[in-house]
Amino acid sequence: DSGVTQTPKHLITATGQRVTLRCSPRSGDLSVYWYQQSLDQGLQFLIQYYNGEERAKGNILERFSAQQFPDLHSELNLSSLELGDSALYFCASSVKGATQYFGPGTRLTVL
Amino acid sequence: AQSVSQHNHHVILSEAASLELGCNYSYGGTVNLFWYVQYPGQHLQLLLKYFSGDPLVKGIKGFEAEFIKSKFSFNLRKPSVQWSDTAEYFCAVGDASKIIFGSGTRLSIRP
Repeated sequence: DSGVTQTPKHLITATGQRVTLRCSPRSGDLSVYWYQQSLDQGLQFLIQYYNGEERAKGNILERFSAQQFPDLHSELNLSSLELGDSALYFCASSVKGATQYFGPGTRLTVL
Repeated sequence: AQSVSQHNHHVILSEAASLELGCNYSYGGTVNLFWYVQYPGQHLQLLLKYFSGDPLVKGIKGFEAEFIKSKFSFNLRKPSVQWSDTAEYFCAVGDASKIIFGSGTRLSIRP
């Protein structure tokens, strides 16, 4: 157990809908990272937050957004969902430096 | 451009065989290198990391990796694999703001 928690574990929704994925980092970690893992794209970095502020952006679609709250938990919002958004979404956290610890992931299925 | 290459997409070995998974990277500046493992249906777990110092790094579960700066490589090794090592292995390179992952190598062990 890495200490990073993610909810929900599974999410099934329809195209066009909006969902919110939640991540709680390890105690003391200020950075939160979001990744998307799919069969065809592999593991893709989406976005990083550090202590509430956006720090780095990767291959994140405009339909996706994230935020980090004062208690350091983070939410990833996915809107206007498409079939191709079906994937595993991982959150990772780190306190400082580059070592990231991953949560168990949320499996999103868009029907 | 920053990139990580894992040339072996799928490796099949018998139990007790020796393992070496290749990883080459292209990255500017100070390099932090990682190997993560993802067991079937699970999240990514840190196997080992290299930031500086001894280029031969020992990780969990008997794995080790060697950083060869001149070859831009960070290959993962294990002298004798077990069936429980069946998993996907990801090499990664990064810094404090993000990690770039390779496409992964699937390792299958024949009992």
